[in-house]
Amino acid sequence: GESVGLHLPTLSVQEGDNSIINCAYSNSASDYFIWYKQESGKGPQFIIDIRSNMDKRQGQRVTVLLNKTVKHLSLQIAATQPGDSAVYFCAEPVKTSYDKVIFGPGTSLSVIP
Amino acid sequence: GAGVSQSPSNKVTEKGKDVELRCDPISGHTALYWYRQRLGQGLEFLIYFQGNSAPDKSGLPSDRFSAERTGESVSTLTIQRTQQEDSAVYLCASSLGNMNTEAFFGQGTRLTVV
Repeated sequence: GESVGLHLPTLSVQEGDNSIINCAYSNSASDYFIWYKQESGKGPQFIIDIRSNMDKRQGQRVTVLLNKTVKHLSLQIAATQPGDSAVYFCAEPVKTSYDKVIFGPGTSLSVIP
Repeated sequence: GAGVSQSPSNKVTEKGKDVELRCDPISGHTALYWYRQRLGQGLEFLIYFQGNSAPDKSGLPSDRFSAERTGESVSTLTIQRTQQEDSAVYLCASSLGNMNTEAFFGQGTRLTVV
């Protein structure tokens, strides 16, 4: 469903370790998903996307995994750095009478130096 | 500019006053979204414009909130008789309008109602 302003879950990770951020989506017919990163005081920015015909997609230090069976997405960040500290949102387009994008509640990632 | 532009970046207003927030989307983007983000919370959908279609207003929290969009360009979000609970960052995003494309966000307008 739509994000309704819930308090953000947080994840603390030691610098250099890998981070895994999870997201559950609601619509089994969704065929495209995007991860966004929001740094403090800024708007969300695109990180990586994945289409439903893929299980995995890799970017620079980031990997997104898609499990359509359980409607689950994960974002993996390798060798987490202090600059990765931010809020991460997954997003899925929702096909209703309006083709709009719905954001998940977000996860706040805090990197411990 | 090349990105989504929002103004003002910060707005402090007295309770009961009306405010108007502006969003200039990326040229050529037919879809435009407004979201509200309270401190430490996620994105709350407010309203969605797609081309010349009727907007999706399902996220507007009360009749004090309204938004307009001129064609496929600038949008304004108006909050009447502001309340302290309206204090938040208001984010605007635009996209090409195809569902399978990313949305580009502005920096947001931080609204503080005192």
